[in-house]
Amino acid sequence: QSVLTQPPSVSAAPGQKVTISCSGSSSNIGKNYVSWYQQLPGTAPKLLTYDNNKRPSGIPDRFSGSKSGTSATLGITGLQTGDEADYYCGTWDSSLSAWVFGGGTKLTVL
Amino acid sequence: QLQLQESGPGLVKPSETLSLTCTVSGGSISSSRYYWGWIRQPPGKGLEWIGNIYYSGSTYYNPSLKSRVTISVDTSKNQFSLRLSSVTAADTAVYYCARRAVAGYFDYWGQGTLVTVSS
Repeated sequence: QSVLTQPPSVSAAPGQKVTISCSGSSSNIGKNYVSWYQQLPGTAPKLLTYDNNKRPSGIPDRFSGSKSGTSATLGITGLQTGDEADYYCGTWDSSLSAWVFGGGTKLTVL
Repeated sequence: QLQLQESGPGLVKPSETLSLTCTVSGGSISSSRYYWGWIRQPPGKGLEWIGNIYYSGSTYYNPSLKSRVTISVDTSKNQFSLRLSSVTAADTAVYYCARRAVAGYFDYWGQGTLVTVSS
């Protein structure tokens, strides 16, 4: 059971928009920055967004992160088949003194 | 371009100690802006943080693994290492090393190495 809760799966058609939620608590998301990671099949995770809503160099602006209270959201617009992957949220939990990941969300582009 | 590369045995016997090393190239492990961490992923499952180390040697461990984990750093070799003792089949996973910004995100990852615990 993950400290951060994500939906197991989401799906949408190519060109559409999808959002992935990440629900936590006052000791993790409510207090610290959230980052999102994309894991394509058979590869290592890749940083998509950090500090709630910033993108590393090279990440297209189709990917966006946001945070409100104890929840965070990853948004992906203009979906492409190449976006099919597992997506994870992550943050520091100040009560546990531990880094925590969400359980992951599998994105299917129909 | 920073690169991280895990190395170590791919097969470990139950009750023995898993040992992996991460070699960092293209940057210094002695930067004050970063931690260096280990994350694992059992087959078909999600990511689990194992722990981080700072270049000074200070460490943070996952409370659920703390009694079995040791992470160390060798700044002269630009490497950091993981030791996980008393392993069982539940420790079978792909193990990743990664750089974590002090601000709190993992920005560079190794390719991962599969470690299987089996007799």
